[in-house]
Amino acid sequence: SQQGEEDPQALSIQEGENATMNCSYKTSINNLQWYRQNSGRGLVHLILIRSNEREKHSGRLRVTLDTSKKSSSLLITASRAADTASYFCATDEAKGSQGNLIFGKGTKLSVKP
Amino acid sequence: SQTIHQWPATLVQPVGSPLSLECTVEGTSNPNLYWYRQAAGRGLQLLFYSVGIGQISSEVPQNLSASRPQDRQFILSSKKLLLSDSGFYLCAWMSGRAGTQYFGPGTRLTVL
Repeated sequence: SQQGEEDPQALSIQEGENATMNCSYKTSINNLQWYRQNSGRGLVHLILIRSNEREKHSGRLRVTLDTSKKSSSLLITASRAADTASYFCATDEAKGSQGNLIFGKGTKLSVKP
Repeated sequence: SQTIHQWPATLVQPVGSPLSLECTVEGTSNPNLYWYRQAAGRGLQLLFYSVGIGQISSEVPQNLSASRPQDRQFILSSKKLLLSDSGFYLCAWMSGRAGTQYFGPGTRLTVL
């Protein structure tokens, strides 16, 4: 079943602008993660936020989690052309087995130089 | 450090032919292993996962199968490919229930 849904599906911005992507999910979770995928490549883990955390930073990345609204956002500040990629959120259901992740369909980010 | 390999990188196969995709992990022991399929412009669909040698769980019924003959080897197979099997196949590993999955570079499969 679909757990994460990213919004928007596609985002196009100029270099230097901030990019915000949102993710909504349906069930209780242990943690939520964001991954990045360059075209035709595997996914790369960006950041993990636990259900008892509200905000987390990593370099130019800022992730927020609102468990009451079952939503998360990923903010990339001062974007660069190299940030062009698809971004996926992934959740593990709190009652799920083996810690399996459920991925959303992703947001395709295009950063124009 | 841990690394994950997949091969082949690309594959073009006729309908009805067999399939074997291989994934190996280095630098870790007893990982959880995963096979995903990604259709063009879409998210990831979990196909199989394994928590140990010979232990395979299937998430989606289909004409694919998986095997784990060794601790760090995960194989995706099919006896007869369908057109709908085309896609980007990703293998991933996770240490226990740590949460973060680490992905291989993927195999692009085109069934004609």
